Amino acid sequence: KAGVTQTPRYLIKTRGQQVTLSCSPISGHRSVSWYQQTPGQGLQFLFEYFSETQRNKGNFPGRFSGRQFSNSRSEMNVSTLELGDSALYLCASRLLAASTDTQYFGPGTRLTVL
Amino acid sequence: GESVGLHLPTLSVQEGDNSIINCAYSNSASDYFIWYKQESGKGPQFIIDIRSNMDKRQGQRVTVLLNKTVKHLSLQIAATQPGDSAVYFCAEGFSNSGYALNFGKGTSLLVTP
Repeated sequence: KAGVTQTPRYLIKTRGQQVTLSCSPISGHRSVSWYQQTPGQGLQFLFEYFSETQRNKGNFPGRFSGRQFSNSRSEMNVSTLELGDSALYLCASRLLAASTDTQYFGPGTRLTVL
Repeated sequence: GESVGLHLPTLSVQEGDNSIINCAYSNSASDYFIWYKQESGKGPQFIIDIRSNMDKRQGQRVTVLLNKTVKHLSLQIAATQPGDSAVYFCAEGFSNSGYALNFGKGTSLLVTP
């Protein structure tokens, strides 16, 4: 079974632009979560989606948004990019949203903002 | 490779030795804890989890210990192998959600032959 896939793997943008990142969960998984990873802050939770609904949201500004489609694929959007948004963005999927479901992470999208 | 290993505490052990990686968590309300392993260029990989109604849980070559009194977690890896070299994160969350909300900064484990 294929793992979590994220596209693109690398992205370079300039300040003020917006960006959309894509995540395809493991087949059959319906929950998708997004995380930001930076050397300074480490891994931080952005949000989780289940059945096209956002279930929980981390402490990030409204410039960070996401959505989930009926096939469970998810996209994350960052508008008005800032230099501090440079990070590795990780997507994780799990079967349902049950407390016993293990999360499986994708390889991430490396975003660089110039 | 990824830059997640910068500015991290590093633990260097010899192949075959046991490794102990420590972590302090911040939220006393957290009742679900997870250890992840992250190799260069890859996303975190689940190792083992523990809920707050337990003090210890064992997996294959790994043991997690939880001390709620001092908000401390440890991950013990038995007979450490070169393939164990990676960055290890602890994470805390809530058992009713089952996923991590807050992650530690990580410890880089280097296994030398």
